[in-house]
Amino acid sequence: DGGITQSPKYLFRKEGQNVTLSCEQNLNHDAMYWYRQDPGQGLRLIYYSQIVNDFQKGDIAEGYSVSREKKESFPLTVTSAQKNPTAFYLCASSIRDRKKETQYFGPGTRLLVL
Amino acid sequence: GESVGLHLPTLSVQEGDNSIINCAYSNSASDYFIWYKQESGKGPQFIIDIRSNMDKRQGQRVTVLLNKTVKHLSLQIAATQPGDSAVYFCAENIDGTSYGKLTFGQGTILTVHP
Repeated sequence: DGGITQSPKYLFRKEGQNVTLSCEQNLNHDAMYWYRQDPGQGLRLIYYSQIVNDFQKGDIAEGYSVSREKKESFPLTVTSAQKNPTAFYLCASSIRDRKKETQYFGPGTRLLVL
Repeated sequence: GESVGLHLPTLSVQEGDNSIINCAYSNSASDYFIWYKQESGKGPQFIIDIRSNMDKRQGQRVTVLLNKTVKHLSLQIAATQPGDSAVYFCAENIDGTSYGKLTFGQGTILTVHP
């Protein structure tokens, strides 16, 4: 069963704690992305990676970090520097197909602050 | 249409009616557009896409129309069903830049009444 998986579905963070959200894909896609979604708003890009061992900051990278050691995996760490981490986090991946980039999304992780 | 602030535009229809969801995109250089459907608590699901060399594309029960002159995109859903109730997002991309980086609209809430 191919697709994008994210875990956990819900995550609770204590003050000053770093937490890591998992994203795995078995679609053989080169590019992967992390978005943040707040209520009543669209998706905002945190980080993206076009290829293994390379990643780029998106529009709201402050307080977040990523790694891309394997093609299948793109974990996101929400650090203590992110002062307002409560949000729905979405991971996506894409493959170039006839010059168009269709992104496919995982089910999301909801992060809540205790 | 697109929302301002935290209030998403809403569209309420009766089951069986046709629905039209609108999106005004921002960049005249965008040449690839996608519509996504997002149900509550889930990740966005790809519906249909269109490249800028087309002005209309049809899928199963859905049609996307593109008017580049006024930078407007619309999604038409025929014979709307209760299962179509969700938030619908448009996204735009400029081919050749930032490898698949999409810019998302804020979304429209579609509610279908049985």
